[in-house]
Amino acid sequence: EAQVTQNPRYLITVTGKKLTVTCSQNMNHEYMSWYRQDPGLGLRQIYYSMNVEVTDKGDVPEGYKVSRKEKRNFPLILESPSPNQTSLYFCASSGLGSGYEQYFGPGTRLTVT
Amino acid sequence: AQSVSQHNHHVILSEAASLELGCNYSYGGTVNLFWYVQYPGQHLQLLLKYFSGDPLVKGIKGFEAEFIKSKFSFNLRKPSVQWSDTAEYFCAGLTGGGNKLTFGTGTQLKVEL
Repeated sequence: EAQVTQNPRYLITVTGKKLTVTCSQNMNHEYMSWYRQDPGLGLRQIYYSMNVEVTDKGDVPEGYKVSRKEKRNFPLILESPSPNQTSLYFCASSGLGSGYEQYFGPGTRLTVT
Repeated sequence: AQSVSQHNHHVILSEAASLELGCNYSYGGTVNLFWYVQYPGQHLQLLLKYFSGDPLVKGIKGFEAEFIKSKFSFNLRKPSVQWSDTAEYFCAGLTGGGNKLTFGTGTQLKVEL
């Protein structure tokens, strides 16, 4: 089954404690992205990757890092989380073969206290 | 900069009423537009997309959208809504060489019995 998986689905942490949210896709897609969803703001892109070892900033990259060492994985790293990073995070992937339709993961709800 | 705007933030309808949700985009060049739906507690699912050709696009679950280039609009329609259509709806435009989706702020639709 074609899918994008994220882990964990729910996470409560404290300010400053480094965390990683994993994302994996099994569709051999070239493009992967991270978005955050906040009430009244819709989804905003954090980082994206056009292929292995190629990443770039989206609209709201501050406080986040990413890496793309393998085509299927695109982890999101918060090295020193702060309360304003409390949000719902979605990973997405797309490729030429999917007509650029982005497939979304189930989301990770992060709370930083 | 490209942007996507949705004017209706909250819509309440009775079952069997007709639906039209507004979406406007502000960029030129090649236009690829999408409507996504997010049911409560779930991830985003693609309703329909427009890349080229017939400006009237039909999607899943009886939804359709019309691309009107002169009005920079891509409004979503459904002739008769059901209670199960209660969800949040997002319009999005594809830019950045096929990787970046710019989302509108979303429209929360509630359908009452």
